[in-house]
Amino acid sequence: DIQMTQSPSSLSASVGDRVTITCRASQSISTFLNWYQQKPGKAPKLLIYAASSLQSGVPSRFSGSGSGTDFTLTISSLQPEDFATYFCQQTYSTPYTFGQGTKLEIK
Amino acid sequence: EVQLVETGGGLIQPGGSLRLSCAASGFTVSSNYMSWVRQAPGKGLEWVSVIYSGGTTYYAYSVKGRFTISRDSSKNTLYLQMNSLRGEDTAVYYCATSGSYHALDYWGQGTLVTVSS
Repeated sequence: DIQMTQSPSSLSASVGDRVTITCRASQSISTFLNWYQQKPGKAPKLLIYAASSLQSGVPSRFSGSGSGTDFTLTISSLQPEDFATYFCQQTYSTPYTFGQGTKLEIK
Repeated sequence: EVQLVETGGGLIQPGGSLRLSCAASGFTVSSNYMSWVRQAPGKGLEWVSVIYSGGTTYYAYSVKGRFTISRDSSKNTLYLQMNSLRGEDTAVYYCATSGSYHALDYWGQGTLVTVSS
């Protein structure tokens, strides 16, 4: 299995801050890396696919980068609605494993 | 508009069986990659299974041999047959469809499965 490791596990930030979350794969996954946002009691929402492609309807303050084993999700200017948990997922090979999640909290 | 609605969750005793359904609208289930993902209470996301448009299926090691993913084209519905259920299978189960790079672009609202005596 490909292991996905996210860091940090939790993060406190303020509205307007620039935030970066990282995801590392245990082996190369090319750009088969996706990012999801999940709010309490809700289904996850796709933000970024193929490492850097913005899903339709997602604000442009979200961006992704990376290839191979190291990836980042950046939120350029945090908005109140961005406080949530973020997960990365590799879809390079089955099982399509997720990272453990990063909980983004208000400072 | 794409919609996915899961049903079939509930309380089940260890060792029991349950079948989850995911009714789709706005697209054709059999033409897409469809997945099940679960989330134990207070925990992260765990990918469970996928069925490709050609019918090939894959499973997480934790459910292989106990769970079966399938679909019914006439009903445009995805299923997850879960047998030999264990306490660690307790979770909200989501169905989702895949878009580019197999990313899960549409999700249902989830259905809760509780395995307990």
